[in-house]
Order: sequence, then structure tokens, then C-alpha cells
Amino acid sequence: SYELTQPSSVSVSPGQTARITCSGDVLAKKYARWFQQKPGQAPVLLIYKDSERPSEIPERFSGSSSGTTVTLTISGAQVEDETDYYCYSAADNSVVFGGGTKLTVL
Amino acid sequence: QVQLVESGGGVVQPGRPLRLSCAASTFTFSSYTMHWVRQAPGKGLEWVAVISDDGSNKYYADSVKGRFTISRDNSKNTLYLQMNSLRPEDTAVYYCAGIAARPSQNLDYWGQGALVTVSS
Repeated sequence: SYELTQPSSVSVSPGQTARITCSGDVLAKKYARWFQQKPGQAPVLLIYKDSERPSEIPERFSGSSSGTTVTLTISGAQVEDETDYYCYSAADNSVVFGGGTKLTVL
Repeated sequence: QVQLVESGGGVVQPGRPLRLSCAASTFTFSSYTMHWVRQAPGKGLEWVAVISDDGSNKYYADSVKGRFTISRDNSKNTLYLQMNSLRPEDTAVYYCAGIAARPSQNLDYWGQGALVTVSS
């Protein structure tokens, strides 16, 4: 079975750039997605197909891919971006998730 | 705006059944592969089950195989998860999700989740 690995936490100051990585063999052949999860709310899709952004998502969120690693970049992180972020990929009739990264902005 | 709304969660005793529903609106439900994903308190996400767009193919995580059944009614734009023989370790928030599978599809859609608590 596939696995995706994310750092458990990332910290930045407001206005700085936050980068969250996600690594796994499945990413060499399947697209990655990223979503943001705030407590009690539905997950919000931030990035699909490694680097595409839904129209309603702010431009400060971007995605990139290199080999078996994808990266979510938050340029000019804001206090309201402090929450959990997950990468995931659909493969072999299931979905595999990263363990999640808690972003702290302070 | 696309909405996926789960219902049917609650507190249930071990060994008892529970059925979750997920109603879709403003969403081409019948063309999407649908999944159930769960998140135990303080834990990460765990994929539970998937059903193809026409309902002909279903797959399950080993942890629920033989106990849970995923189904859909495209005429009602609704996804279901029948959970039997529930265990305390099934306690989690259960999310329904439409995950893009066709080349023409881009976006994934997620519900807000339904809490299932298995406790005596």
C-alpha cells in the first residue's frame, strides 16, 4: 500500500512564506491534492492536479511537484491560515492521505 | 455552490448498526466516484470505502470489510454507508467526498462530516 509523508508541523511569522512538503512513491504516477481543514468545518480543496488552484482559492496558495515530492506554498502567510493541511492522492481504488501538517503563524 | 451534507451520525452501542447518508446538491453526483473517509478524534484521515459512479464497483478498507456497505442512489443524489457490528474504534467523524476520477473532472468535493460515537 502507498504512504504519503508530511512534516507534523511548520511555523512561520505573518507575511513569511510557508512550505509544506508531501512525499511518496504514488506521486510519481498520480496527482496530489491539498486541502485545508479548520475545526468543525468541511475540508477546503486548495490544490488539485499537483499545482492547479480552484478559482475561489487565494493566489497566495500554490502547489508544485518534483518527482515523488509535492509542495504546498503559502506566500505571505496570514494569521487565518493557521490550521491543518493534508495532502492526498487517489490510487488503486482508494485514497491515501498524508498525516497532516499543523501550520502555526505567529 | 456545491454541497455535500452528511446525516445520520450519533451515539450507538457496540455491536449495533448505523446508516449514514450524504446528500449532494448543485453537483454532477452521478458522474463522480464517491468515497467515505473518517477521522478519529485527534487522529489523521483514514479512507473507508469507495463506489464507482454507476455503483457497480465497491472497495473497502480492511478495517471495515465485511461490516460496512457503501451504496448510492443517483436518482436521489445520495450516498450511503451502512455500518454494522460497530466497534469503539469506529468512533470518528465520517466525511463523504466526491473525488475526481475522470480526465474531464478537476475538483474534489467534501462534506462537513458526521460524528459517530460508538460507546456503551
